[in-house]
Amino acid sequence: KNEVEQSPQNLTAQEGEFITINCSYSVGISALHWLQQHPGGGIVSLFMLSSGKKKHGRLIATINIQEKHSSLHITASHPRDSAVYICAVPSETSGSRLTFGEGTQLTVNP
Amino acid sequence: EAQVTQNPRYLITVTGKKLTVTCSQNMNHEYMSWYRQDPGLGLRQIYYSMNVEVTDKGDVPEGYKVSRKEKRNFPLILESPSPNQTSLYFCASSLWLADTDTQYFGPGTRLTVL
Repeated sequence: KNEVEQSPQNLTAQEGEFITINCSYSVGISALHWLQQHPGGGIVSLFMLSSGKKKHGRLIATINIQEKHSSLHITASHPRDSAVYICAVPSETSGSRLTFGEGTQLTVNP
Repeated sequence: EAQVTQNPRYLITVTGKKLTVTCSQNMNHEYMSWYRQDPGLGLRQIYYSMNVEVTDKGDVPEGYKVSRKEKRNFPLILESPSPNQTSLYFCASSLWLADTDTQYFGPGTRLTVL
């Protein structure tokens, strides 16, 4: 099973700050997912990436396959970014199974 | 609208009373999966299905059953629920494999077993 570690577990920021959330995994993968869980509980997929960098609005995700590490950055953070951010990687034996990090609780204060 | 639906959204039941949580997707996705989410443990996979009549165990399948008779539906069955199955459950789907395609999640079902 691919072990996934996220850091930090909790993060509090002031509006406008640059945010970085990290995800490390133990076994080589083909792709990594970043998910966002809203305070109401719903989960949406933010990114799926297998190399380099992807950008969507103020969100940027990067991955370094050799170092088994990914980061999620939020520029000009806003209170509506407050959510739990979760990374997920495929099982080392099957692309059909995902292993999730425990999530990073982000709170952005106005 | 492309979506994954789950029913019920909230359920309180008693130990041993069989229940089914339905999951349906309208995107013609091949892959569907069930997860449970518990504080301190994150999301864990219960069962998944690669196609009609093809299902397989995830990390925590004990106490659960699934079926995939139609592509769009993937119900989760608890034959004899116990309090340790109190959790938040999510169904998800993707076009094909979890490692190559975006996952679409249902709204979640909060289950309490007394």
